[in-house]
Amino acid sequence: DAGITQSPRHKVTETGTPVTLRCHQTENHRYMYWYRQDPGHGLRLIHYSYGVKDTDKGEVSDGYSVSRSKTEDFLLTLESATSSQTSVYFCAISEPRFTQYFGPGTRLTVL
Amino acid sequence: TQLLEQSPQFLSIQEGENLTVYCNSSSVFSSLQWYRQEPGEGPVLLVTVVTGGEVKKLKRLTFQFGDARKDSSLHITAAQPGDTGLYLCAGAPVKTSYDKVIFGPGTSLSVIP
Repeated sequence: DAGITQSPRHKVTETGTPVTLRCHQTENHRYMYWYRQDPGHGLRLIHYSYGVKDTDKGEVSDGYSVSRSKTEDFLLTLESATSSQTSVYFCAISEPRFTQYFGPGTRLTVL
Repeated sequence: TQLLEQSPQFLSIQEGENLTVYCNSSSVFSSLQWYRQEPGEGPVLLVTVVTGGEVKKLKRLTFQFGDARKDSSLHITAAQPGDTGLYLCAGAPVKTSYDKVIFGPGTSLSVIP
């Protein structure tokens, strides 16, 4: 158990509203990731972080921003949610290198 | 774009049968992982393979990393209903300069009692 929690676990929102998803880890891991999972696409990397205030874009970063002000928390924000952002979002940590441990996921529906 | 392909995409078999799932790429990977994901949960790591030609066994599951480190296979012997789930392969391409992996689209396995 890598001690990863995600909140909320489920959220329904309307197009155009801002949404923030939270990932919390308890074991001081340096690398944290946000993925989205959609049928037929597998897991796609949105953003990742390699330390406090150190973040970088993944392959599907448009429309998303992240922040990491503390080692244990990695926030994913949808500034103005769209229906194409309806998905299941997973947070992960990497330890040891390249081996990823995932949180339970957040199911987001944008109406 | 570096891609991992998996086949088959879907597999439905009877309990007790054997099966093999494949993961292929044109890229060379420094390591490759296999995960299993059950509905409503996050993927869970099964194994990591690092050396070309490496074979690892986990009870009824056998994992192999290709000699050229571009492909991998997962073989399940005498499948059980508890093996049902989505099997994902993931890898870190050799030239990756930071801790980032790519995932295949997954193989959805259903084992019928």
